[in-house]
Amino acid sequence: GENVEQHPSTLSVQEGDSAVIKCTYSDSASNYFPWYKQELGKRPQLIIDIRSNVGEKKDQRIAVTLNKTAKHFSLHITETQPEDSAVYFCAASKGAGNMLTFGGGTRLMVKP
Amino acid sequence: ETGVTQTPRHLVMGMTNKKSLKCEQHLGHNAMYWYKQSAKKPLELMFVYSLEERVENNSVPSRFSPECPNSSHLFLHLHTLQPEDSALYLCASSQDAQGGDQPQHFGDGTRLSIL
Repeated sequence: GENVEQHPSTLSVQEGDSAVIKCTYSDSASNYFPWYKQELGKRPQLIIDIRSNVGEKKDQRIAVTLNKTAKHFSLHITETQPEDSAVYFCAASKGAGNMLTFGGGTRLMVKP
Repeated sequence: ETGVTQTPRHLVMGMTNKKSLKCEQHLGHNAMYWYKQSAKKPLELMFVYSLEERVENNSVPSRFSPECPNSSHLFLHLHTLQPEDSALYLCASSQDAQGGDQPQHFGDGTRLSIL
């Protein structure tokens, strides 16, 4: 089955700096890669996703890049703010049933 | 956002009890999911229902029994659970697609504690 590895497990940055979180996946048939943000005690919320026919996608301060050959994808957050502090999860899925395999999560701390 | 609602939010039960978790989605989706979120572990997919048919049972012990009476409701029936079953149980919904590329929307979860 699919295996998704996520790094780093914790990331501390100064407000205004950029943050990068990286994920690798094992199944070359995976074609959908969402990123979720989970604040303490709250639900995971989808912040951005990318499909395998696209190499990069951007939404304001958040961008995701996908390298299908190397089977890795990354989340980039620019101009970080304290409210960006949360746990971020990457995931991958393929085919019918839309079954997601999640990475282990990255705890991002943005220091004011 | 109240598209996916889970009840109860918190549940404490003994190992011999029987209880049920409920999930309801108001997004018009046709696929629903149960996940288990434990400390220091990735989110684990437990069950998938598409068009009210179970399409995945991810090697989950039989003490967890899902039920999907219609596309808007999903239940997780619990009986004779173990302490290691204490976790946050999350429900999600999406449009099912053969391409497997539809966003999943999560509920707030039920925090389950087994005594």
